[in-house]
Amino acid sequence: KAGVTQTPRYLIKTRGQQVTLSCSPISGHRSVSWYQQTPGQGLQFLFEYFSETQRNKGNFPGRFSGRQFSNSRSEMNVSTLELGDSALYLCASSVTYEETQYFGPGTRLLVL
Amino acid sequence: DQQVKQNSPSLSVQEGRISILNCDYTNSMFDYFLWYKKYPAEGPTFLISISSIKDKNEDGRFTVFLNKSAKHLSLHIVPSQPGDSAVYFCAATQYYDYKLSFGAGTTVTVRA
Repeated sequence: KAGVTQTPRYLIKTRGQQVTLSCSPISGHRSVSWYQQTPGQGLQFLFEYFSETQRNKGNFPGRFSGRQFSNSRSEMNVSTLELGDSALYLCASSVTYEETQYFGPGTRLLVL
Repeated sequence: DQQVKQNSPSLSVQEGRISILNCDYTNSMFDYFLWYKKYPAEGPTFLISISSIKDKNEDGRFTVFLNKSAKHLSLHIVPSQPGDSAVYFCAATQYYDYKLSFGAGTTVTVRA
């Protein structure tokens, strides 16, 4: 069974731009979560989706948003990029949230 | 507010010996705990988990111990192998919260 896939793997943007990251969960998994990893803050929860509904959101500004499609694929969007948004963005999926979460390889975003 | 803490940023152990990684948490509502291993430029890989109704869970060379009264869990790796050199993250969640809270990670180096 294929794992969680994330595209693109690497991205370079400039301040003020917006970016959309994509995540395809493991087949049959309906819960998708997003995390941001930075050297200073570690792994921080962004949001979780199940059946196209956001069930929880972390402490990030409104510039960070996401959505989930009917096939469980998910996207996250960051608008008006700031230098501090440079990070590794990780997506994780599980059958339901109560099952173990499995992570994708991440998208490395660099904001210049 | 860091609810999950890994106070040892690094651990060096000789091949064949035991690695013991520690994790403390402050939120008494957490009822499910996980350990992940992460190599550079990859997403975290699930290792082992434990529910709050148990105090021990084993899977091959990995054993997780949970002490609820002390709000403490540990991961034992026996015997340690060179391929175990990675960053290990402790994570915790409570059912119906739909998010994982991570520790800062412990870098394990297994010496030949």
